[in-house]
Amino acid sequence: KAGVTQTPRYLIKTRGQQVTLSCSPISGHRSVSWYQQTPGQGLQFLFEYFSETQRNKGNFPGRFSGRQFSNSRSEMNVSTLELGDSALYLCASSWYRGWGKTEAFFGQGTRLTVV
Amino acid sequence: SQQGEEDPQALSIQEGENATMNCSYKTSINNLQWYRQNSGRGLVHLILIRSNEREKHSGRLRVTLDTSKKSSSLLITASRAADTASYFCATDRIIQGAQKLVFGQGTRLTINP
Repeated sequence: KAGVTQTPRYLIKTRGQQVTLSCSPISGHRSVSWYQQTPGQGLQFLFEYFSETQRNKGNFPGRFSGRQFSNSRSEMNVSTLELGDSALYLCASSWYRGWGKTEAFFGQGTRLTVV
Repeated sequence: SQQGEEDPQALSIQEGENATMNCSYKTSINNLQWYRQNSGRGLVHLILIRSNEREKHSGRLRVTLDTSKKSSSLLITASRAADTASYFCATDRIIQGAQKLVFGQGTRLTINP
Protein backbone atom coordinates (compact mmCIF):
# COMPACT_ATOMS: atom_id res chain seq x y z
CA LYS A 1 0.00 0.00 0.00
CA ALA A 2 1.45 3.37 -1.00
CA GLY A 3 2.15 5.81 1.80
CA VAL A 4 1.18 9.43 2.14
CA THR A 5 2.51 11.46 -0.77
CA GLN A 6 3.24 15.14 -0.51
CA THR A 7 4.22 17.36 -3.40
CA PRO A 8 6.35 19.23 -3.98
CA ARG A 9 9.12 18.20 -1.59
CA TYR A 10 10.84 21.56 -1.69
CA LEU A 11 9.60 25.01 -2.56
CA ILE A 12 11.10 28.49 -2.53
CA LYS A 13 8.75 31.45 -2.68
CA THR A 14 9.01 35.19 -2.30
CA ARG A 15 7.24 37.21 0.38
CA GLY A 16 3.75 38.18 -0.69
CA GLN A 17 3.29 35.26 -3.04
CA GLN A 18 0.91 32.40 -2.43
CA VAL A 19 1.59 28.70 -2.44
CA THR A 20 -0.39 25.49 -2.77
CA LEU A 21 0.78 22.22 -1.30
CA SER A 22 -0.70 18.85 -2.13
CA CYS A 23 -1.23 15.70 -0.13
CA SER A 24 -2.47 12.30 -1.30
CA PRO A 25 -3.47 10.11 1.66
CA ILE A 26 -3.16 6.38 1.98
CA SER A 27 -5.81 4.63 -0.08
CA GLY A 28 -8.95 4.23 1.99
CA HIS A 29 -8.07 6.91 4.51
CA ARG A 30 -10.60 9.69 4.59
CA SER A 31 -9.08 11.94 7.22
CA VAL A 32 -6.26 14.29 6.26
CA SER A 33 -4.55 16.62 8.71
CA TRP A 34 -1.93 19.29 8.15
CA TYR A 35 0.84 20.32 10.52
CA GLN A 36 3.49 23.02 10.43
CA GLN A 37 6.90 22.32 11.91
CA THR A 38 9.38 25.07 12.73
CA PRO A 39 12.42 25.05 15.02
CA GLY A 40 10.85 27.65 17.29
CA GLN A 41 7.26 26.45 17.55
CA GLY A 42 7.66 22.74 16.95
CA LEU A 43 4.79 20.80 15.40
CA GLN A 44 1.61 22.82 15.23
CA PHE A 45 -1.77 21.54 14.07
CA LEU A 46 -3.23 23.47 11.14
CA PHE A 47 -6.48 21.73 10.21
CA GLU A 48 -8.14 18.41 9.58
CA TYR A 49 -10.44 17.39 6.75
CA PHE A 50 -12.80 14.45 6.51
CA SER A 51 -15.10 13.76 3.58
CA GLU A 52 -14.35 17.17 2.08
CA THR A 53 -15.29 18.99 5.29
CA GLN A 54 -12.99 20.84 7.63
CA ARG A 55 -13.68 19.40 11.07
CA ASN A 56 -10.95 20.93 13.14
CA LYS A 57 -8.78 24.01 12.87
CA GLY A 58 -5.68 25.14 14.68
CA ASN A 59 -4.72 28.63 15.73
CA PHE A 60 -3.43 30.00 12.44
CA PRO A 61 -4.40 33.16 10.54
CA GLY A 62 -6.90 33.09 7.71
CA ARG A 63 -4.04 33.18 5.19
CA PHE A 64 -3.81 29.44 5.79
CA SER A 65 -6.60 27.50 4.14
CA GLY A 66 -7.21 24.08 2.77
CA ARG A 67 -9.62 21.83 1.05
CA GLN A 68 -10.24 18.18 0.41
CA PHE A 69 -11.48 16.57 -2.75
CA SER A 70 -13.87 13.67 -3.23
CA ASN A 71 -10.93 11.28 -3.67
CA SER A 72 -9.62 12.41 -0.23
CA ARG A 73 -6.64 14.25 -1.70
CA SER A 74 -6.07 17.51 0.07
CA GLU A 75 -4.48 20.82 -0.72
CA MET A 76 -3.24 23.51 1.59
CA ASN A 77 -2.92 27.10 0.50
CA VAL A 78 -1.00 29.93 2.10
CA SER A 79 -1.58 33.40 0.72
CA THR A 80 0.51 36.54 1.16
CA LEU A 81 3.52 34.59 2.33
CA GLU A 82 5.61 35.90 5.20
CA LEU A 83 9.16 34.98 6.15
CA GLY A 84 7.80 33.26 9.24
CA ASP A 85 5.86 30.82 7.09
CA SER A 86 9.12 29.08 6.23
CA ALA A 87 8.66 25.61 7.65
CA LEU A 88 8.25 21.93 7.01
CA TYR A 89 4.59 21.27 6.25
CA LEU A 90 3.48 17.77 7.08
CA CYS A 91 0.36 15.98 6.01
CA ALA A 92 -1.05 13.00 7.87
CA SER A 93 -3.77 10.59 6.89
CA SER A 94 -5.72 8.34 9.16
CA TRP A 95 -8.71 6.06 9.19
CA TYR A 96 -10.90 6.57 12.17
CA ARG A 97 -11.76 3.16 13.52
CA GLY A 98 -13.41 4.16 16.73
CA TRP A 99 -12.27 5.36 20.09
CA GLY A 100 -8.58 5.13 20.75
CA LYS A 101 -7.47 3.64 17.46
CA THR A 102 -6.39 6.27 14.99
CA GLU A 103 -2.75 6.00 14.06
CA ALA A 104 -1.78 8.89 11.84
CA PHE A 105 0.60 8.23 8.97
CA PHE A 106 2.72 11.13 7.81
CA GLY A 107 4.14 12.08 4.47
CA GLN A 108 7.74 13.23 3.98
CA GLY A 109 6.67 16.84 4.10
CA THR A 110 7.08 19.90 1.94
CA ARG A 111 9.95 22.18 2.91
CA LEU A 112 8.79 25.73 2.19
CA THR A 113 11.32 28.55 2.22
CA VAL A 114 10.09 32.12 1.95
CA VAL A 115 12.69 34.67 0.90
CA SER B 1 -0.21 25.53 22.42
CA GLN B 2 1.94 22.49 23.08
CA GLN B 3 0.30 19.92 25.29
CA GLY B 4 3.05 17.36 25.52
CA GLU B 5 6.42 18.15 26.94
CA GLU B 6 9.23 15.73 26.47
CA ASP B 7 12.31 15.45 28.57
CA PRO B 8 15.12 15.40 28.19
CA GLN B 9 15.31 17.75 25.21
CA ALA B 10 18.46 15.97 24.10
CA LEU B 11 19.95 12.62 25.01
CA SER B 12 23.26 11.12 23.92
CA ILE B 13 24.15 7.54 24.79
CA GLN B 14 26.44 4.74 23.64
CA GLU B 15 25.25 2.08 21.25
CA GLY B 16 23.83 -0.85 23.13
CA GLU B 17 22.60 1.20 26.08
CA ASN B 18 18.94 1.82 26.83
CA ALA B 19 17.33 5.19 26.15
CA THR B 20 14.40 6.53 28.13
CA MET B 21 12.36 9.54 27.11
CA ASN B 22 9.50 11.04 29.06
CA CYS B 23 6.42 12.96 28.07
CA SER B 24 3.98 14.93 30.19
CA TYR B 25 0.66 16.35 29.14
CA LYS B 26 -2.00 18.56 30.63
CA THR B 27 -5.51 17.55 29.64
CA SER B 28 -7.40 14.29 29.36
CA ILE B 29 -6.66 12.21 26.32
CA ASN B 30 -8.11 9.40 24.24
CA ASN B 31 -4.71 7.96 23.51
CA LEU B 32 -1.05 8.89 23.26
CA GLN B 33 1.24 8.17 20.36
CA TRP B 34 4.98 8.20 19.92
CA TYR B 35 6.63 9.16 16.65
CA ARG B 36 10.18 9.21 15.33
CA GLN B 37 11.54 11.79 12.92
CA ASN B 38 14.81 11.52 11.13
CA SER B 39 16.45 14.83 10.33
CA GLY B 40 13.97 17.06 8.50
CA ARG B 41 11.85 14.22 7.23
CA GLY B 42 8.36 12.94 7.89
CA LEU B 43 7.24 11.36 11.14
CA VAL B 44 7.13 7.62 11.54
CA HIS B 45 4.47 6.19 13.83
CA LEU B 46 5.96 3.98 16.56
CA ILE B 47 3.33 3.07 19.12
CA LEU B 48 -0.18 4.08 20.12
CA ILE B 49 -1.26 3.49 23.70
CA ARG B 50 -4.85 3.97 24.74
CA SER B 51 -5.83 5.84 27.85
CA ASN B 52 -7.03 2.60 29.47
CA GLU B 53 -3.70 0.83 28.85
CA ARG B 54 -0.67 1.04 31.11
CA GLU B 55 2.08 -0.55 29.07
CA LYS B 56 2.73 -1.57 25.51
CA HIS B 57 5.62 -3.25 23.72
CA SER B 58 6.77 -3.27 20.13
CA GLY B 59 10.08 -4.94 19.42
CA ARG B 60 12.75 -2.99 21.32
CA LEU B 61 10.26 -0.29 22.27
CA ARG B 62 8.34 -0.15 25.53
CA VAL B 63 5.82 2.57 26.29
CA THR B 64 4.17 3.21 29.60
CA LEU B 65 1.28 5.51 30.38
CA ASP B 66 0.28 6.88 33.77
CA THR B 67 -2.93 8.84 33.36
CA SER B 68 -2.99 9.83 37.04
CA LYS B 69 0.31 11.64 36.55
CA LYS B 70 -0.47 12.58 32.95
CA SER B 71 2.82 11.17 31.79
CA SER B 72 4.25 8.59 29.45
CA SER B 73 7.68 7.16 28.83
CA LEU B 74 9.33 5.56 25.83
CA LEU B 75 12.11 3.09 26.43
CA ILE B 76 14.36 1.92 23.60
CA THR B 77 16.42 -1.07 24.62
CA ALA B 78 19.76 -2.13 23.14
CA SER B 79 20.02 1.08 21.14
CA ARG B 80 21.51 1.17 17.65
CA ALA B 81 23.06 3.96 15.60
CA ALA B 82 19.96 3.86 13.38
CA ASP B 83 17.85 4.93 16.38
CA THR B 84 19.42 8.39 16.16
CA ALA B 85 16.44 10.68 15.55
CA SER B 86 14.01 13.01 17.27
CA TYR B 87 11.19 11.40 19.20
CA PHE B 88 7.85 13.05 19.77
CA CYS B 89 4.89 12.19 21.88
CA ALA B 90 1.48 13.29 20.67
CA THR B 91 -1.73 13.32 22.58
CA ASP B 92 -4.80 12.45 20.62
CA ARG B 93 -8.11 14.08 21.36
CA ILE B 94 -10.87 12.76 19.19
CA ILE B 95 -13.95 14.92 19.29
CA GLN B 96 -16.93 13.68 17.27
CA GLY B 97 -14.55 11.65 15.18
CA ALA B 98 -12.29 14.59 14.40
CA GLN B 99 -8.69 13.87 15.26
CA LYS B 100 -6.22 16.46 16.50
CA LEU B 101 -2.73 15.45 17.51
CA VAL B 102 -0.95 17.78 19.88
CA PHE B 103 2.81 17.28 19.84
CA GLY B 104 5.52 17.95 22.35
CA GLN B 105 8.80 19.62 21.46
CA GLY B 106 10.55 16.28 21.10
CA THR B 107 13.67 14.61 22.40
CA ARG B 108 16.70 14.55 20.14
CA LEU B 109 18.37 11.18 20.65
CA THR B 110 21.94 10.54 19.51
CA ILE B 111 23.40 7.06 19.60
CA ASN B 112 27.18 7.06 19.57
CA PRO B 113 28.89 4.05 17.96
